[in-house]
Amino acid sequence: GQQLNQSPQSMFIQEGEDVSMNCTSSSIFNTWLWYKQDPGEGPVLLIALYKAGELTSNGRLTAQFGITRKDSFLNISASIPSDVGIYFCAGQDQGAQKLVFGQGTRLTINP
Amino acid sequence: EAQVTQNPRYLITVTGKKLTVTCSQNMNHEYMSWYRQDPGLGLRQIYYSMNVEVTDKGDVPEGYKVSRKEKRNFPLILESPSPNQTSLYFCASSLSSSLAVAGEQYFGPGTRLTVT
Repeated sequence: GQQLNQSPQSMFIQEGEDVSMNCTSSSIFNTWLWYKQDPGEGPVLLIALYKAGELTSNGRLTAQFGITRKDSFLNISASIPSDVGIYFCAGQDQGAQKLVFGQGTRLTINP
Repeated sequence: EAQVTQNPRYLITVTGKKLTVTCSQNMNHEYMSWYRQDPGLGLRQIYYSMNVEVTDKGDVPEGYKVSRKEKRNFPLILESPSPNQTSLYFCASSLSSSLAVAGEQYFGPGTRLTVT
């Protein structure tokens, strides 16, 4: 099955720094989603994007649906220890009624 | 409390010994799905179900079976587990398939399976 290309695979940052990660696809997507997975838990939806060019914020998190509909990015500003976890992008391929997930970005924060 | 539950949370078994991982949701959701999560590969869909008695293959169905006899339960069955099925498994549910792909999908806590 198709996969998204998510980068970076891992990040090690200092508390207070900003974080940026992105996802790209070879095909056009109708929906872009960003999930966070805390250790020992299932993924939880952070932000959903439904329109090309859409920029949406959720607290310190901001995500954008790329104009080409083939990419999306997630920014986290002023990181705090509870931001630690794995972040997944996911998208709905316009030809399929299902989600495709990226490989995940593991975020580690040094206090 | 609205939730998706999975049992067991951890399981170590041997090759060929049949096992079942249960999944249950209390939200009256129509759509349920199983994923496996492997390092570097993210989440891949195994099987999904649009409603009772309706199941379909996802991207990696080989070696797995599912059933949906009741709305709330969606067990994952490994008839003859092999080491390459060692993984972290997630069950998820949504009110409908269209809402699932829109992101309104609730995940269980995961089942870590090791097959030796």
